[in-house]
Amino acid sequence: AQTVTQSQPEMSVQEAETVTLSCTYDTSESDYYLFWYKQPPSRQMILVIRQEAYKQQNATENRFSVNFQKAAKSFSLKISDSQLGDAAMYFCAYTALLQGAQKLVFGQGTRLTINP
Amino acid sequence: DAGITQSPRHKVTETGTPVTLRCHQTENHRYMYWYRQDPGHGLRLIHYSYGVKDTDKGEVSDGYSVSRSKTEDFLLTLESATSSQTSVYFCAISPDLDSPLHFGNGTRLTVT
Repeated sequence: AQTVTQSQPEMSVQEAETVTLSCTYDTSESDYYLFWYKQPPSRQMILVIRQEAYKQQNATENRFSVNFQKAAKSFSLKISDSQLGDAAMYFCAYTALLQGAQKLVFGQGTRLTINP
Repeated sequence: DAGITQSPRHKVTETGTPVTLRCHQTENHRYMYWYRQDPGHGLRLIHYSYGVKDTDKGEVSDGYSVSRSKTEDFLLTLESATSSQTSVYFCAISPDLDSPLHFGNGTRLTVT
């Protein structure tokens, strides 16, 4: 079975600094998607970024970028120029392709605190 | 959030009673999903639907049933609620297998 592990239950960073959240996953599949979701106190699950496993280029979305290491099964999220609005729970997630649905497997989450 | 609505937002019920949670979408998306969120576990898939009357089980389906009689509604039923089903329940939708899931705001269910 596929698993996703986030080894950092909590992280904190100074406003305007850079922080990296770690995620590792285990799968025997070759085609899959990886995601980072943000969950603020409002409880809403918000997609931050997505990476297709077949793409070697790391995905970026404005201040958010990933370091995707397929052989190591590692998928970290880098947040540059951290802002107070970035404070939230961050979840790493995985889904294999070709299984008839997007059956996301989530990590346990990392709580990110931004210090002003 | 526009496009997907979960009801109720909060519910408290007693052990042994039936409970139905509703997910309603206005996007005409084919795929709908139910997840539960518990501390230390992230989100886990309960059931999903790939069309009207087409549903299948997820990772943690025991004690739950679902129905989808029309495209816009996906119902999650706890036939006899137990305290272990106290959780936050999220519905998600997507138009196809390539588009990322879009989540609703969740329903907090407490079983006493």
